[in-house]
Amino acid sequence: QVQLVQSGAEVKKPGASVKVSCKASGYSLSSYALHWVRQAPGQRPEWMGWITAGNGDRKYSQKFQGRVTITRDTSASTAYMELSSLRSEDTAVYYCARNDYTGNGFDYWGQGTLVTVSS
Amino acid sequence: EIVLTQSPGTLSLSPGDTATLSCRASQSVGGSYLAWYQQNPGQAPRLLIYGTSSRATGIPDRVSGSGSGTDFTLTISRLEPEDFAVYYCQQCGSLPFTFGQGTKLEIK
Repeated sequence: QVQLVQSGAEVKKPGASVKVSCKASGYSLSSYALHWVRQAPGQRPEWMGWITAGNGDRKYSQKFQGRVTITRDTSASTAYMELSSLRSEDTAVYYCARNDYTGNGFDYWGQGTLVTVSS
Repeated sequence: EIVLTQSPGTLSLSPGDTATLSCRASQSVGGSYLAWYQQNPGQAPRLLIYGTSSRATGIPDRVSGSGSGTDFTLTISRLEPEDFAVYYCQQCGSLPFTFGQGTKLEIK
């Protein structure tokens, strides 16, 4: 069955970077787009960016442009999201989510990774 | 950026009732690519509806979606205890993909 398993919780200091992994199983990572979404406590989900199926083109939300990098290692069936210059407002649960066609919503999600930014 | 506004903020109903949730977009959603998710505390969102009205795998037919342009509706009939959760709409028609602020469906 399809599964997305993310890396564990992180605690970071302001100004640091964090890299969250998302390991896919039950399907080929390169055959589907992979999105990253974050959700701060009590807030709506917020789309950060994605890596497309096939050639792995990447697009990011303007809000995170310059601070976020999404990559994937197809040999390891793992995608990554790195966020730099962390600030307290980046404290949130970060999710990876699969998408089979741009307009079709996100059908499988990782379990989430809590990133806490605190001095 | 398309802003999605959901109403009501909280909906108090009883098991067996019908829930009607609204999602309004600040501009027309391209391709009617509007999705709905259910989220329980401490869990990831779960896809219910995509493309305005198509049910995701395993979603029962008492859950339905409708709408077009800027106005969309999620209807859940014959409410069951597991339906009481927070619901989000999401537009996938233009970047950045955005979510509504959510509607909490609570037991009356």
